[in-house]
Amino acid sequence: EAAVTQSPRNKVTVTGGNVTLSCRQTNSHNYMYWYRQDTGHGLRLIHYSYGAGNLQIGDVPDGYKATRTTQEDFFLLLELASPSQTSLYFCASRDRANSDYTFGSGTRLLVI
Amino acid sequence: GDSVTQTEGLVTVTEGLPVKLNCTYQTTYLTIAFFWYVQYLNEAPQVLLRSSTDNKRTEHQGFHATLHKSSSSFHLQKSSAQLSDSALYYCALLSGSFNKLTFGAGTRLAVCP
Repeated sequence: EAAVTQSPRNKVTVTGGNVTLSCRQTNSHNYMYWYRQDTGHGLRLIHYSYGAGNLQIGDVPDGYKATRTTQEDFFLLLELASPSQTSLYFCASRDRANSDYTFGSGTRLLVI
Repeated sequence: GDSVTQTEGLVTVTEGLPVKLNCTYQTTYLTIAFFWYVQYLNEAPQVLLRSSTDNKRTEHQGFHATLHKSSSSFHLQKSSAQLSDSALYYCALLSGSFNKLTFGAGTRLAVCP
């Protein structure tokens, strides 16, 4: 069974701080995605990638960078965190031949 | 771009009664599939059911939905709600060359005794 592991589970940082959220998937899926979840907005796509070294811009990319270092690892970077980035972040992966996403357990980020 | 509209933020229903969660969409891309995801407290979203065929009823775990492209709708229904159905439900569509998943804002279903 495909597994997507996110770390950390919870993170608190100060405004202007530097944060990296990590995501690793163990099934060699081609596609990986970063979403943020906010009440009233659902899940919104930040960045995604279809392979190592590839990066695509999602629907709400402002203030975020991402990097896909390997087939397994996809990182989300907040270089100058702001309170508006307080959210629950989900990583997901998908195989090229399958429409189903596999989600991680989420990272809850609080920017104070 | 694509958009998914879920008009109800909260639906409250008594156990044993029918429930319907509304979902409409707009898409400018080739849409591959439509989904209902369910998210229980402190868990990740998971697929409840999916469809890519117009006017075909899809069922899973007592829930059903029919994709109607003529009205751009994919409503979720259940004939008898259970307490365990209380959760957050998302309608979503998968589209484009990178198979992006676009979610609605979500509907929280609360089933009361």
